[in-house]
Amino acid sequence: DAGVTQSPTHLIKTRGQHVTLRCSPISGHKSVSWYQQVLGQGPQFIFQYYEKEERGRGNFPDRFSARQFPNYSSELNVNALLLGDSALYLCASSRQDARSGNTIYFGEGSWLTVV
Amino acid sequence: TQLLEQSPQFLSIQEGENLTVYCNSSSVFSSLQWYRQEPGEGPVLLVTVVTGGEVKKLKRLTFQFGDARKDSSLHITAAQPGDTGLYLCAAIIQGAQKLVFGQGTRLTINP
Repeated sequence: DAGVTQSPTHLIKTRGQHVTLRCSPISGHKSVSWYQQVLGQGPQFIFQYYEKEERGRGNFPDRFSARQFPNYSSELNVNALLLGDSALYLCASSRQDARSGNTIYFGEGSWLTVV
Repeated sequence: TQLLEQSPQFLSIQEGENLTVYCNSSSVFSSLQWYRQEPGEGPVLLVTVVTGGEVKKLKRLTFQFGDARKDSSLHITAAQPGDTGLYLCAAIIQGAQKLVFGQGTRLTINP
């Protein structure tokens, strides 16, 4: 069975541009979460979606947005990119939402470099 | 201020030595998780500890949850080069629907 898949794996953008990152959860998983991991630090929570509804939001500016589609895949959008947005963006999926404490599985991430 | 403080942040030891890394907080958690992340990959769950004082073993790795459920430790016996990686502790924040991570311990085992 395929794990969590993310695309693209690497990309370079210029300051001020917009980026869309994509994630396909494990089959049967209805919850998708997004995390930002800056080099040398642990992942920071950005969003969680469950059954296409936003269930949690981290401390990120409004330039960050996300959505979940009927097939449970998800997109993370970042507008007006800043140099500080350079990071590994991780997507994670689980069968249920975070309150259930069930196991979440991470993808390999999308490396974003803003120049 | 980090909700979960990990120490040390960096650790480099020789193959065969033992080591312990720590995850501390002033908050009480219903459960705490440990992940391992290798370069170019996402974190992989190693264990979840739920009960205060709980000890779980995974081969040469021993995980302990503090009695007050505010802290945890990971002990590795006879470390091997394959244990090299970033070790992260994490806790689910109830109500906020999010998993909070520590800053990680980057472990290097030298042959």
